[in-house]
Amino acid sequence: DAGVIQSPRHEVTEMGQEVTLRCKPISGHNSLFWYRQTMMRGLELLIYFNNNVPIDDSGMPEDRFSAKMPNASFSTLKIQPSEPRDSAVYFCASRRLAGDEQFFGPGTRLTVL
Amino acid sequence: AQKITQTQPGMFVQEKEAVTLDCTYDTSDQSYGLFWYKQPSSGEMIFLIYQGSYDEQNATEGRYSLNFQKARKSANLVISASQLGDSAMYFCAMREGYNTDKLIFGTGTRLQVFP
Repeated sequence: DAGVIQSPRHEVTEMGQEVTLRCKPISGHNSLFWYRQTMMRGLELLIYFNNNVPIDDSGMPEDRFSAKMPNASFSTLKIQPSEPRDSAVYFCASRRLAGDEQFFGPGTRLTVL
Repeated sequence: AQKITQTQPGMFVQEKEAVTLDCTYDTSDQSYGLFWYKQPSSGEMIFLIYQGSYDEQNATEGRYSLNFQKARKSANLVISASQLGDSAMYFCAMREGYNTDKLIFGTGTRLQVFP
């Protein structure tokens, strides 16, 4: 079975550019989570969806960040405009609605110059 | 106050020995869940074990067990018979309450297994 798929795996961009991160959850999973991991702040939840509906976006840093889940098999996290402090590893995770554990993707390492 | 506290930044253990990684949590909810994840140097997050607050028995998954002491609000991970491949960062996390799926992670413990 395929796990959570994220693309790209690495992204290097310049300050001010738009960045779009993509995630395909495990088939049959109804919940999708976006996390950010940095040395300073550790691993923190940005937003999560249940059945494609955003439930908690309190972790989204500011209006430059937006996330969508147009269908059950695809989600995007967009940063516009990007800033150097957005440099981090961004993880997507998914979970069955009735399950406990979240399964993580391999992450996207974002570097904003 | 920190919701999840992992006081050991780093731990060393010899191969084949057991090791305990500490985790304490802070919540006033009666219903919550506790998780442990492993992050090897390759970067992926691997789910290890889960304990629900109402579970009577300590959770076990192969060589992993969770020493759940509710009164002390601790959820320590015990790895038995350590292997070199266990060298990684280990994160404790909590889902707090019925009405959220949000996980709050601790700062992690780096475990090094030596021959």
